[in-house]
Amino acid sequence: DIVLTQSPGTLSLSPGERATLSCRASQTVSRSYLAWYHQKPGQAPRLLIYGASSRATGIPDRFGGSGSGTDFTLTISRLEPEDFAVYYCQQYGSSPQTFGQGTKVEIK
Amino acid sequence: QVQLQQWGAGLLKPSETLSLTCAVYSESFSGYYWSWIRQPPGKGLEWIGEINHSGSTNYNPSLKSRVTISVDTSKKQFYLILSSVTAADTAVYYCARTPITGHCSTTSCYNDYWGRGTLVTVSS
Repeated sequence: DIVLTQSPGTLSLSPGERATLSCRASQTVSRSYLAWYHQKPGQAPRLLIYGASSRATGIPDRFGGSGSGTDFTLTISRLEPEDFAVYYCQQYGSSPQTFGQGTKVEIK
Repeated sequence: QVQLQQWGAGLLKPSETLSLTCAVYSESFSGYYWSWIRQPPGKGLEWIGEINHSGSTNYNPSLKSRVTISVDTSKKQFYLILSSVTAADTAVYYCARTPITGHCSTTSCYNDYWGRGTLVTVSS
């Protein structure tokens, strides 16, 4: 299985600041088959990014994804209050699909 | 608008069988895989398996010996059975829609719509 390691574990930032989240894979993720989700307490995960850089339907353009191979990044250009949540990456290039352990973005 | 509504027993004893149902409210049922994913309390996400409208399944090898996913296309519902549960199976179980076209690999894809989750607790 491909293991995804996310860093940092927790990111403490203020509204309006820029957030940069990392996802590193134990093997190459073929054709950038990587997605990002965020999850608020008591809710299901919500798809943000697929294909490493394509925004899902309805996702604002302050969310951006980049990377290829084994290193991927999610950037939130200016944090809004509703962006404070846990973020997960997922690879779907090989079976089984696997998820990272999450990065919590909290209010500083 | 796509909605997934799920339900099932929330409290089980060790060695019992977990059974969950997910109903899909969507115009299209046949054009997707339908997945189960779980999340132990305070932990990350684990993919359990998926099924399409014709009953073709894929399972996570780590759970394959205990998992059965089935489908009833006439009802637009799919089901999860997990046998011989232990405390380690305590988790929120989600159902989700998994596309098969677009930016998907030959083996898997992202999950674009999710149910609200069902907490299943295994305790004696």
